[in-house]
Amino acid sequence: NAGVTQTPKFQVLKTGQSMTLQCAQDMNHEYMSWYRQDPGMGLRLIHYSVGAGITDQGEVPNGYNVSRSTTEDFPLRLLSAAPSQTSVYFCASSYTQSGGYNEQFFGPGTRLTVL
Amino acid sequence: AQKVTQAQTEISVVEKEDVTLDCVYETRDTTYYLFWYKQPPSGELVFLIRRNSFDEQNEISGRYSWNFQKSTSSFNFTITASQVVDSAVYFCALSVPGSGNTGKLIFGQGTTLQVKP
Repeated sequence: NAGVTQTPKFQVLKTGQSMTLQCAQDMNHEYMSWYRQDPGMGLRLIHYSVGAGITDQGEVPNGYNVSRSTTEDFPLRLLSAAPSQTSVYFCASSYTQSGGYNEQFFGPGTRLTVL
Repeated sequence: AQKVTQAQTEISVVEKEDVTLDCVYETRDTTYYLFWYKQPPSGELVFLIRRNSFDEQNEISGRYSWNFQKSTSSFNFTITASQVVDSAVYFCALSVPGSGNTGKLIFGQGTTLQVKP
């Protein structure tokens, strides 16, 4: 199993550009989520999905869109990048049984810089 | 509201010293889960341990041990005889079951541990 994969590893954008961060998992996990990591703030939840066709907002959803058309993929879209979105982005997945008991598996992260 | 506080931003120790990383959480729910993750310099997040709110037994895994105390809402992590390879950022996280039977992770700010040779 490849686990959780993310592409690209690094990205530099100009303000106003759009892009999609890709996330895929091959563990048949129903639950997938996106976090951003900023210095001194830990990881904060952006959006999450409990299954194909179902998404919801997390703590910091503004400026980001998601969709979940398949169990395996959960892309994160930045429609108009802003410098405040400079961060490291992590995708995670887990089983949904037992209401949050299961560990989340994290991807390697995407380091995004917005100029 | 749920919250996790890791008051120690950075800790520096010399190899073989014992070190404890503090974690204090807030939640009104009676069912919840606590986690510790390690983020080495390479950047990935590594799961270390999970504990549910009904199990206050301490746990030991090699040089690692965890002390869960509901009375003080703390879930502290101790590394015994630290090694240089323990240098990393350590995150404590809280998960509370919500609608859809999911558990969104709420992370603390992280503690950067530097172990010097």
